[in-house]
Amino acid sequence: QQQVKQSPQSLIVQKGGISIINCAYENTAFDYFPWYQQFPGKGPALLIAIRPDVSEKKEGRFTISFNKSAKQFSLHIMDSQPGDSATYFCAAGWSGGYQKVTFGTGTKLQVIP
Amino acid sequence: DVKVTQSSRYLVKRTGEKVFLECVQDMDHENMFWYRQDPGLGLRLIYFSYDVKMKEKGDIPEGYSVSREKKERFSLILESASTNQTSMYLCASRPGGSNTEAFFGQGTRLTVV
Repeated sequence: QQQVKQSPQSLIVQKGGISIINCAYENTAFDYFPWYQQFPGKGPALLIAIRPDVSEKKEGRFTISFNKSAKQFSLHIMDSQPGDSATYFCAAGWSGGYQKVTFGTGTKLQVIP
Repeated sequence: DVKVTQSSRYLVKRTGEKVFLECVQDMDHENMFWYRQDPGLGLRLIYFSYDVKMKEKGDIPEGYSVSREKKERFSLILESASTNQTSMYLCASRPGGSNTEAFFGQGTRLTVV
């Protein structure tokens, strides 16, 4: 009930293209869905987060789409740039309890010129 | 500026040694976490702490213990290091409240030989 499944494991996208990373969760009590971005040699950093009361959230070129009934959410990176090359982790958690989140397995994105 | 500092970037230890990984945060956060990051497995929670001297097991606590004597410091202890504990270890902290961002340290690459 705690798993978060993330796909694909790796992704190569041409500069200017759209990068799409998908995640699925099992626990219907989850109500917080962040995405973290990790560059080589650095710790992950929060990129964008969504709550299940909205179906989409956009921040610049990054958009989270959320489908509560399917228990799925995805990250879209529009106009992908070489500087977006990083590992992306989705996560899911809930406001109650100790508020810990469960992370997906990560997607290594490479944007080629 | 928010800061989570891990005491070592790289560490090499021998099998059977007792290993201490230290993490300090300067944000007065209530919650602190230790994760290990392995390729294809993402970030897996080892232990977390929601207050001084309080700790909870995460998803993979076997072979590890933790200590939190002061609010700003959270230590991960490998009682008897084994080769299967070779990994990247990440410390994170979060403030209390709902849906708060986790801030990560830069990671400690531990190799057990």
